Amino acid sequence: DGGITQSPKYLFRKEGQNVTLSCEQNLNHDAMYWYRQDPGQGLRLIYYSQIVNDFQKGDIAEGYSVSREKKESFPLTVTSAQKNPTAFYLCASSIRADSNYGYTFGSGTRLTVV
Amino acid sequence: AQTVTQSQPEMSVQEAETVTLSCTYDTSESNYYLFWYKQPPSRQMILVIRQEAYKQQNATENRFSVNFQKAAKSFSLKISDSQLGDTAMYFCAFMKPYNNDMRFGAGTRLTVKP
Repeated sequence: DGGITQSPKYLFRKEGQNVTLSCEQNLNHDAMYWYRQDPGQGLRLIYYSQIVNDFQKGDIAEGYSVSREKKESFPLTVTSAQKNPTAFYLCASSIRADSNYGYTFGSGTRLTVV
Repeated sequence: AQTVTQSQPEMSVQEAETVTLSCTYDTSESNYYLFWYKQPPSRQMILVIRQEAYKQQNATENRFSVNFQKAAKSFSLKISDSQLGDTAMYFCAFMKPYNNDMRFGAGTRLTVKP
């Protein structure tokens, strides 16, 4: 079945460390997105990518970095510069960047700083 | 920038009854798309229903329907014959056409009681 796979499901990070969250899709979608979810704040856009080798900052990109070397993959790195990284992270995709049909989401990664 | 407001942080309903979740949004656009997403305890975001602003007819999907009031910028979700599996967070979302920037409300936590 086609879908989006996020791994790991739970991730623990020590302060000062960089960590990378994986997002892989087999839907042949062009566009991919990373959202952060905090209690009471809904979802906020971190980065998005419309095509391979291209990505744009969202509303809260500071302290995060991404790459899009393959159409199927859009990993997110949470750097030590991110001051409050504990959150739930969701990856999503859409068939095209200008698609009006909504997004398909992965099942998320819960990141905790210890 | 567009904003989406869900004024009910939590709601509950008895099984088999009907419940309505509220959503308002702010935009100067005349054409746009609205969505309701469901996030069950598994945390996977699932598209429930989608509405195109230029269509007068309210969207329906089985037990789920919307009341779209364009002039009032209101987009409420009605769940009929509530089932225990409807227990979830529900997010309202807004998107301009051909624009990869989906905006989410803070969510409403719905509990269906047996």
